[in-house]
Amino acid sequence: AQRVTQPEKLLSVFKGAPVELKCNYSYSGSPELFWYVQYSRQRLQLLLRHISRESIKGFTADLNKGETSFHLKKPFAQEEDSAMYYCALTGFQKLVFGTGTRLLVSP
Amino acid sequence: KAGVTQTPRYLIKTRGQQVTLSCSPISGHRSVSWYQQTPGQGLQFLFEYFSETQRNKGNFPGRFSGRQFSNSRSEMNVSTLELGDSALYLCASSFTGANTEAFFGQGTRLTVV
Repeated sequence: AQRVTQPEKLLSVFKGAPVELKCNYSYSGSPELFWYVQYSRQRLQLLLRHISRESIKGFTADLNKGETSFHLKKPFAQEEDSAMYYCALTGFQKLVFGTGTRLLVSP
Repeated sequence: KAGVTQTPRYLIKTRGQQVTLSCSPISGHRSVSWYQQTPGQGLQFLFEYFSETQRNKGNFPGRFSGRQFSNSRSEMNVSTLELGDSALYLCASSFTGANTEAFFGQGTRLTVV
């Protein structure tokens, strides 16, 4: 079965601090993993996907198959990063989301 | 280009009624997926349609159904509404399915009283 676990409901940091949003998954095949973000009053949108290996808005995420993790990281958080972040996995034409982590960046 | 459009934005229904929600995908997108979002459960997959065929279905009762038309527009229907069906229903479209970027609508907020 496909499952995505985001252990933290809320992560609160100060501006300029490093951020790591945790994501673990279970999937029997080769997964494709994504991070989606929802800013206040905006639609859910793709932040990044593991196959592109890009850095978007300073965020990166590395797929660790041994630990079945896909943690999202940013070295220096900004106030505009405050949002709801969802880790998601795709397999068998189904996009499965974690329960999300709210990131709050304080000045 | 126009984004994913969901109508209506808000709905209030009473228990036992049925409801139909609509989703217009981005032009050229053939895959439409539906999700139920609640504070306690997060985003839960309902079903996915591609070229008018349901390709995948989540773990929801048969009261939840959907369809897709030849122009890729999709509808979902919930019959015999229950209080627990109150949620934000999100639609997402993509070119070919889950392996491509999903673009989400703003959702329909359904309240069952």
